[in-house]
Amino acid sequence: QVQLQQWGAGLLKPSETLSLTCGVFGGSFSGHYWTWIRQPPVRGLEWIGEIHHSGSTKHNPSLKSRVTISGDTSKNHFSLRLTSVTAADTAVYYCARRPHGRTAFENWGQGTLVTVSS
Amino acid sequence: SYVLTQPPSVSVAPGQTAKITCGANNIGSKSVHWYQQKPGQAPVLVVYDDSDRPSGIPERFSGSNSGNTATLTITRVEAGDEADYFCQVWDSISDHVVFGGGTKLTVL
Repeated sequence: QVQLQQWGAGLLKPSETLSLTCGVFGGSFSGHYWTWIRQPPVRGLEWIGEIHHSGSTKHNPSLKSRVTISGDTSKNHFSLRLTSVTAADTAVYYCARRPHGRTAFENWGQGTLVTVSS
Repeated sequence: SYVLTQPPSVSVAPGQTAKITCGANNIGSKSVHWYQQKPGQAPVLVVYDDSDRPSGIPERFSGSNSGNTATLTITRVEAGDEADYFCQVWDSISDHVVFGGGTKLTVL
């Protein structure tokens, strides 16, 4: 059973860069899509973007210019960078796995609360 | 952009049936997935591709999708089912993921 474990800084100041990494354990990095999703304090989920093991990426248009998603197949992990953060980027950030050929997220990381505050 | 509309809240007594809807234009043409999220936890996939269940999810959870509405049905509701539920699709036109706003299920 694939398990995802994520880590990264939880407190940022406005204009700083958010950086999170998600490790993939108990399964192959190849053949799947690796995704970042966030959840602001009031309930809703927002898809940030994803990377395929081949290196191709997709991003939410609302965040695209600030987002970089990268992967390291040799280390079985993938990362999120979000530049120029503001208070509106305060959220719990999740990594997740979308199997090839499917559009549902079958495995999720534990979540990381990122707070942006001066 | 494609918008999924869920009721903010649904309440049901234990042992009864809960129905949570997800509405959107022609959603019946898409594959709909449902997630359960309990406080402080990551979401868990409970129904995928409209009506399939991942292993380990009780048969009490089922889904349907037709026309402009997808529905998650939970039969014989238990106190432990109290959670937020989100629907999700892949919007092929914009080529990205869309989530519904979520429904809080309260077990009375």
